Amino acid sequence: GAVVSQHPSWVICKSGTSVKIECRSLDFQATTMFWYRQFPKQSLMLMATSNEGSKATYEQGVEKDKFLINHASLTLSTLTVTSAHPEDSSFYICSANGGETQYFGPGTRLLVL
Amino acid sequence: GEDVEQSLFLSVREGDSSVINCTYTDSSSTYLYWYKQEPGAGLQLLTYIFSNMDMKQDQRLTVLLNKKDKHLSLRIADTQTGDSAIYFCAESTTGSGNTPLVFGKGTRLSVIA
Repeated sequence: GAVVSQHPSWVICKSGTSVKIECRSLDFQATTMFWYRQFPKQSLMLMATSNEGSKATYEQGVEKDKFLINHASLTLSTLTVTSAHPEDSSFYICSANGGETQYFGPGTRLLVL
Repeated sequence: GEDVEQSLFLSVREGDSSVINCTYTDSSSTYLYWYKQEPGAGLQLLTYIFSNMDMKQDQRLTVLLNKKDKHLSLRIADTQTGDSAIYFCAESTTGSGNTPLVFGKGTRLSVIA
């Protein structure tokens, strides 16, 4: 149990396009999901907290108009990177509230050319 | 603010024990976690310990918590090449999956055959 999936696992896009990443809790419901970003050989940096049915809470320095988050159901949160640029290239990981802890998705690697 | 520190690298021989150390600053930390990340993958929850516990053992894994010194360690017995990965220490002050975790920078464990 407690499986979190992400789709896609890999995405390569041209600069200026928008990319949507999905995070799903497969066998449990999550009122709260989190989006993290990880640069090579770095730790996870929290980007935002996604709450079902309400607006996401963004961490300082994260542009909410650039990283759109929608948590429309108890099993799905989406992160849309709008007008992506090469500096947005990174590994994006989501996690879902599983009670006493969080369960992480496998990550989405984004490469913007 | 909250801070979690880990040494960055550890190298051990196959069959030996590995000990990965972590220190944290927030005395109100309630739950402390160990996650494993293999190359290109998401985070896998290995184990976690409540702050009112001193030790937790799960097969080859032993977690020791020294709350006075705010020191957490993960011991892997009979380390195998498949244990090579990055290990993240993380803490939560609420023990609730509704709040984000604070991660250390990760310890890269290399197992030499």
